[in-house]
Amino acid sequence: EAGVAQSPRYKIIEKRQSVAFWCNPISGHATLYWYQQILGQGPKLLIQFQNNGVVDDSQLPKDRFSAERLKGVDSTLKIQPAKLEDSAVYLCASSPDRVHTIYFGEGSWLTVV
Amino acid sequence: SQQGEEDPQALSIQEGENATMNCSYKTSINNLQWYRQNSGRGLVHLILIRSNEREKHSGRLRVTLDTSKKSSSLLITASRAADTASYFCATDAGNDMRFGAGTRLTVKP
Repeated sequence: EAGVAQSPRYKIIEKRQSVAFWCNPISGHATLYWYQQILGQGPKLLIQFQNNGVVDDSQLPKDRFSAERLKGVDSTLKIQPAKLEDSAVYLCASSPDRVHTIYFGEGSWLTVV
Repeated sequence: SQQGEEDPQALSIQEGENATMNCSYKTSINNLQWYRQNSGRGLVHLILIRSNEREKHSGRLRVTLDTSKKSSSLLITASRAADTASYFCATDAGNDMRFGAGTRLTVKP
């Protein structure tokens, strides 16, 4: 079974530029998560989708971050404009539903300079 | 905000020794999960324990849950150098999974 796919793996941008990350969850998984993990910290939930609807985006900085899940499958996370403090790993994860094990992708490493 | 808090923040042991990590949380939960993260990689699920369970085993892993104290522990027996990683607890309180800051385990050969 293919795992959660993410791209790009690494991205370096200048502050005030924009960036987009893509995620393809495990086939059939209804729930999709985006987490932000700053170096030395645990993952922080940014947004959770159930199919193509948003369940929780309370910690998403909506003035600069946006996310969508097209047709309840793939998802994109966008940052515009980026700030230095956005440097982190952006982890996409999926699960069959909201009460099961979460499966993580390898992450997209963002450095904002 | 993060739900779980792991303790200690860092742990260094010799190969063959046991490693114990603790997790405390604040609100009632449906289940608690432990994950491992190798440097530069994504998180890998280790074990899930439901709120009505007190102990669970998986290979060299033993997890306990005390809902009255809102705490859990992860024991890794006979540790190996390959167990070197960060370990996170994650709590499911009904809406989403919240992670702690993790315990960084180093196992010296």
